[in-house]
Amino acid sequence: AQKVTQAQTEISVVEKEDVTLDCVYETRDTTYYLFWYKQPPSGELVFLIRRNSFDEQNEISGRYSWNFQKSTSSFNFTITASQVVDSAVYFCALSEVRNTDKLIFGTGTRLQVFP
Amino acid sequence: GAGVSQTPSNKVTEKGKYVELRCDPISGHTALYWYRQSLGQGPEFLIYFQGTGAADDSGLPNDRFFAVRPEGSVSTLKIQRTERGDSAVYLCASSLTGGDYGYTFGSGTRLTVV
Repeated sequence: AQKVTQAQTEISVVEKEDVTLDCVYETRDTTYYLFWYKQPPSGELVFLIRRNSFDEQNEISGRYSWNFQKSTSSFNFTITASQVVDSAVYFCALSEVRNTDKLIFGTGTRLQVFP
Repeated sequence: GAGVSQTPSNKVTEKGKYVELRCDPISGHTALYWYRQSLGQGPEFLIYFQGTGAADDSGLPNDRFFAVRPEGSVSTLKIQRTERGDSAVYLCASSLTGGDYGYTFGSGTRLTVV
């Protein structure tokens, strides 16, 4: 069965600290996609990244970086030098290649960045 | 429009009543999705439309839930005989063609059943 686990319910940091959000997934498929979304207080989900299961290279985009490790079924997200505007709920999600139109979300991690 | 629009933003209804939630996708997007997000949880898939037809409705929890997209643009999620457990934020998303990562989500409709 497909499942996404985000064990950290809430994380609080002070501005400029680095923070890592954990994501562990389960799937029977060998081909799948992993995502991270940000949900600010306004409610809409904002797409951050999509990674397919064949691409294990880490990715960096500005202050954001992602560490995909297939061996441990993890897709962790790190924010470097966090800012107050990073405060939001972050969701990790999975879709399988045979059903790419259905996203399976984790329960989310609420990140609070204090000034 | 520029984004996905959902109306109303908030809806309070009494148990047993019928409600309709509306989603206006981005113009030209053929794929449309409904998700439900309960408090403290991640969004759960409900249904996916490709054009006018429901390509996957496996997430609808029971026959009280129904969704339509008669002209391939606006979609309405309909809930009959609402129950308190239906209280959640209902999110809509659209995508240019589907099967890709280009989802744009709306801000959702917060439904409260009292």
